[in-house]
Amino acid sequence: DARVTQTPRHKVTEMGQEVTMRCQPILGHNTVFWYRQTMMQGLELLAYFRNRAPLDDSGMPKDRFSAEMPDATLATLKIQPSEPRDSAVYFCASGLTSGASSSYNEQFFGPGTRLTVL
Amino acid sequence: AQSVAQPEDQVNVAEGNPLTVKCTYSVSGNPYLFWYVQYPNRGLQFLLKYITGDNLVKGSYGFEAEFNKSQTSFHLKKPSALVSDSALYFCAVRVYNTDKLIFGTGTRLQVFP
Repeated sequence: DARVTQTPRHKVTEMGQEVTMRCQPILGHNTVFWYRQTMMQGLELLAYFRNRAPLDDSGMPKDRFSAEMPDATLATLKIQPSEPRDSAVYFCASGLTSGASSSYNEQFFGPGTRLTVL
Repeated sequence: AQSVAQPEDQVNVAEGNPLTVKCTYSVSGNPYLFWYVQYPNRGLQFLLKYITGDNLVKGSYGFEAEFNKSQTSFHLKKPSALVSDSALYFCAVRVYNTDKLIFGTGTRLQVFP
């Protein structure tokens, strides 16, 4: 049963510390998304990649957040330094798209990383 | 600009009764519309999508959604609600010519025994 995996599932850290979240997309999927979910803002897209190339990171605070795909099986989201306002659930999702406007498939979400910054 | 609205924060329904969760959208181009469900402490799960074709789309767990172009709506429905359907439901629309989805604010469905 193919699914997106995320590690860690929970992370508690202190303000100023570096946080790295990892995602393994479904094998064969070529598009990876990072979302943040909070009560106040709902579900926000932070960044996404197609074929490992970053296509859009406009939703991400550039000064402290960075997202990468070292290879097709791993996506990372890093926060350095972390702040209490970064506390949220971070979701990774993957999908298979051709880029053509006429072709679009659904995204599959991982279980999320619940981050608490004290 | 694309957007999606879920006008109800919460919907309450008795088990066995039909349920409707509302969604309206605004898009450029043809709408690609989605419904997802989120159970507590879980990621979002795909329920169904409308890309083209029949206005009534059938999805997982007995859910269906009706696409209405004139009303720019894509309401989620189920003929007979189950207590286990209680969850947070998100409507989403694809941003034209991209891979991105815009999600609504979510509607919490509570099904009472």
